[in-house]
Amino acid sequence: SQQGEEDPQALSIQEGENATMNCSYKTSINNLQWYRQNSGRGLVHLILIRSNEREKHSGRLRVTLDTSKKSSSLLITASRAADTASYFCATDATSGGSNYKLTFGKGTLLTVNP
Amino acid sequence: DAGITQSPRHKVTETGTPVTLRCHQTENHRYMYWYRQDPGHGLRLIHYSYGVKDTDKGEVSDGYSVSRSKTEDFLLTLESATSSQTSVYFCAISERRSEQYFGPGTRLTVT
Repeated sequence: SQQGEEDPQALSIQEGENATMNCSYKTSINNLQWYRQNSGRGLVHLILIRSNEREKHSGRLRVTLDTSKKSSSLLITASRAADTASYFCATDATSGGSNYKLTFGKGTLLTVNP
Repeated sequence: DAGITQSPRHKVTETGTPVTLRCHQTENHRYMYWYRQDPGHGLRLIHYSYGVKDTDKGEVSDGYSVSRSKTEDFLLTLESATSSQTSVYFCAISERRSEQYFGPGTRLTVT
């Protein structure tokens, strides 16, 4: 079963507005990551937040992590039409050693209208 | 972009035939992954590798096998393709326990 679940499944906003996407997960994690996927392309890593971090910024991106609620949010400020894409959260819940893998959610489709 | 290529990029094959997809990296990264992406299911891990000849199963490994004889190449084989294996397949690499870099994908259609 999916570890991470994004909410909403789809989001449509106007250029210049902020977009917020949420991710919930089920088990303890080492880190949580957000990826973007433009239509027909591979995923691109956006940001990683570790389990001992609560907030992280990268340009117009702000990610929060609440381990007590097992949830994360991705905020894109001042959105642009070029931000139109699917956004996925992924969790690393592996126990260490050589075993390293991510579990991805189903994604949020963000449409930014000009 | 990370140096990851996938071949072929598109393939149409018939049910029951074997199919091999190739992932090639020029980054010398330790970890390599094969995912499939289907509408409504997001990205699901098929198999992954944590070193040459070291592989492990993912969430949806039935019907698939992998091999990694060199650091740079990770092969995914469908022993006998079925229509349920029609999907977009992505390869990814990672050097350490952090971000993954994805290839451009292979669109496979099994008729």
